[in-house]
Amino acid sequence: NAGVTQTPKFQVLKTGQSMTLQCAQDMNHNSMYWYRQDPGMGLRLIYYSASEGTTDKGEVPNGYNVSRLNKREFSLRLESAAPSQTSVYFCASSEGQGRTNTEAFFGQGTRLTVV
Amino acid sequence: AQSVTQPDIHITVSEGASLELRCNYSYGATPYLFWYVQSPGQGLQLLLKYFSGDTLVQGIKGFEAEFKRSQSSFNLRKPSVHWSDAAEYFCAVGDISYNQGGKLIFGQGTELSVKP
Repeated sequence: NAGVTQTPKFQVLKTGQSMTLQCAQDMNHNSMYWYRQDPGMGLRLIYYSASEGTTDKGEVPNGYNVSRLNKREFSLRLESAAPSQTSVYFCASSEGQGRTNTEAFFGQGTRLTVV
Repeated sequence: AQSVTQPDIHITVSEGASLELRCNYSYGATPYLFWYVQSPGQGLQLLLKYFSGDTLVQGIKGFEAEFKRSQSSFNLRKPSVHWSDAAEYFCAVGDISYNQGGKLIFGQGTELSVKP
């Protein structure tokens, strides 16, 4: 049982390049999330998808776009990468809306460096 | 504004000693509260969670946490630390109004080092 799978695990981009981070979960969860982790700041929510077909901004959405491709997959796109987007990105999923006492399950992370 | 504060950025304890990691939160309603652990280069693993009921909750790896509403705290404890507990620990509060366990506000994290 894989849980939440992120690809790639590592990536180096040049400023201005674009890329898409992929995330897939096999737990039949309704809700999916993208976080970024920066030293001394914990994790901050970028975007989330409460259910298939919906997406909403989190705390730090600028410079990012997301697509909830289907119930399993939730991708994060950087259209024009900037050095400030150097970070570790985590995807997570949870059973989501309408269900109580739920918790999030996290992927292993994507370490992105923008030079 | 909703927030979570972990006052200690880095803590060092001796193996076998007791541990307490502090967490304070600011939240408008009854929160969902979580503690996660992150080993180097790894994702986050849930240690324990509080939704309601008994304010002392037990988690994995011998950890426990106590919810104190009057102090807006949710401190993590372990009676005897093992070298394998060295990691970064994150406290988080969940958005109960949407029943979404993944829409979380995280603290800054506390890095735990364990001396032999």
